[in-house]
This record gives sequence, structure tokens and C-alpha cells, in this order.
Amino acid sequence: NAGVTQTPKFQVLKTGQSMTLQCAQDMNHNSMYWYRQDPGMGLRLIYYSASEGTTDKGEVPNGYNVSRLNKREFSLRLESAAPSQTSVYFCASSGGVWETQYFGPGTRLLVL
Amino acid sequence: DAKTTQPPSMDCAEGRAANLPCNHSTISGNEYVYWYRQIHSQGPQYIIHGLKNNETNEMASLIITEDRKSSTLILPHATLRDTAVYYCIVTIQAGTALIFGKGTTLSVSS
Repeated sequence: NAGVTQTPKFQVLKTGQSMTLQCAQDMNHNSMYWYRQDPGMGLRLIYYSASEGTTDKGEVPNGYNVSRLNKREFSLRLESAAPSQTSVYFCASSGGVWETQYFGPGTRLLVL
Repeated sequence: DAKTTQPPSMDCAEGRAANLPCNHSTISGNEYVYWYRQIHSQGPQYIIHGLKNNETNEMASLIITEDRKSSTLILPHATLRDTAVYYCIVTIQAGTALIFGKGTTLSVSS
């Protein structure tokens, strides 16, 4: 049982490049989330998906798109990366009676 | 969601109890208190949650005051591995977005 996995662990992009961050969970959870964490700050929600086939914007959605590919996978895409998107990105999933959120190890993104 | 206030940092000696306070004076009757922690560079880890009764699990105890305006997370025997940022979060349901503040940085030393 791997929980929540994220790929890649680390990525360097140039301004304007695109990339997709991958997230998968094996806990059969319905809900999945993407957060970003800037240095010295708490996490902020980018997008979330309450169930397969649905997505909703969070606090900071601009510059991102998401895809809930199936129940297990939730990807985050940067179409044209900007230096302001340099951050650590965490994926999470939730389920069970209390909908407790479980987080992945994070993807560290540097945009030059 | 109600706002929480936590001290920015705390120190604790290894083997002693760590008591982390959290104020949430505007909490609503149907809002839960959740605690997460984030060990350096890792994803946040769920610790415990409660509504109005005190709760205990294998990681910690949660004490919520009778008026629910504050709570305390207790790590009964802190170890060096408990050094982390601890977040107190108030939310109706954890299945919605969690609002993370800056938390309390707990430093456990030998």
C-alpha cells in the first residue's frame, strides 16, 4: 500500500515551458487535491476533485489545469510555466468516514 | 472556516511532554479541530482530530476546552523525530480544502 505517490520528485523548467505533475493514490479515495507551498508558508489549494469526472478551483488556480483521469489519478498541468510558480506541489487524497486527507511526498519545481 | 492562532515556535526536551496550544475563538458548533504536522520537506501528516470531547490515539492527545475556543495537542514523550511544523486547522469536514496557516515549529532537543 503506497498511499499517495507523486512524480517527478524534482523538476527544473524554463519560463514558458509546460509540464504535467502526476499523482496517484491506492486507497480507493473519492476526493483528491493539489496544493502548493511557497517557502515559509502554509499550503494553499490549487484545485480539487470530489469524485471521478469532477474538478473545482481552489484558492490559487490561475496558470494551472487539472485532469481527474480515473479514480486513482489526478494530474496538474502548467501550460506556460512562470517563475512565480516555483514552489513545492503536494497532492492529497481523502476518504473514509472522516475524509481525512493523506498527502504525497511532494514535487519540487523550479522555474527559471 | 474559523481562523486559528498558534505560537510561531516552541522548544521541548526529548522525553518530555510537548504541549502545543491553538486558539480558535470563532469556531462554529459543527466545526472540527484537526492537527497535522509537516516534517522538513515532507508532505503533511494527519495526527488527530476532535469535535468537543478529548481524543487520544497512538500519536497524541487532543484536549479541547469546554467552550471550544482553544485546544492543546499533547505529544506525551517527545522524540527528536517529532521536530516539525504543527498545524491546527478548524474545518467543517476534512474532505474540503484544508486552510493551513504558518503553524508552530516544534524543536525537540536532547
